[in-house]
Amino acid sequence: QVHLQESGPGLVKPSQTLSLTCTVSGGSISGGSYFWSWIRQHPEKGLEWIGYIFYGGGIYYNPSLKSRATISADTSKYQFSLKLSSVTAADTAVYYCAVGSTETTGVWFGPWGQGTQVTVSS
Amino acid sequence: EIVLRQSPGTLSLSPGERATLSCRASQRVSSRYLAWYQQKPGQAPKLLVYGASSRATGIPDRFSGGGSGTDFTLTISRLEPEDFAVYYCQQYGTSPETFGPGTKVEIK
Repeated sequence: QVHLQESGPGLVKPSQTLSLTCTVSGGSISGGSYFWSWIRQHPEKGLEWIGYIFYGGGIYYNPSLKSRATISADTSKYQFSLKLSSVTAADTAVYYCAVGSTETTGVWFGPWGQGTQVTVSS
Repeated sequence: EIVLRQSPGTLSLSPGERATLSCRASQRVSSRYLAWYQQKPGQAPKLLVYGASSRATGIPDRFSGGGSGTDFTLTISRLEPEDFAVYYCQQYGTSPETFGPGTKVEIK
């Protein structure tokens, strides 16, 4: 069973870049047909898909993030990362990494990491 | 993007009762590409069902999903104490993937 763990600063200043890392154990980012995903959960807005990286297949983002998000992977470290630039208070949320699976198109998510709270405040 | 609406917002039931949760999409969800998740306080969401009706690994058969087009349901045949939680639907037939606002199943 794949296990995921998020890490990164819990507090980010407005206009700065949020950086999070997800460490994967029990599986390889470069193997299989999984989509290594980021999802966030706002107290009021609910769950929002941010994006995912498919090793050897590309990176996909939610258009709502308006090109502020960047996802990358370091297969040697069994990690994938999220950077979100120009953050505002609206980016305050619990951020999750998750394994995405597909049949032909689109992705469902499971398992998930435990999540990490990120607060944007000066 | 496809907007998902879930009803009711809160469902108050007793252990042993049957729970029926609804998820309605603003557009047809292609190929029944709909998933359901369970979230307990302080925990991450947990995948229950994908493909509208396929249970994820290790999920008890008291959980069943159904529906097609724009209307989907998650049924819990007999509520166990550990089933009281918030349930979310998610569509993945049309990008971007989107989630519903959730239904809270609480103890009556």
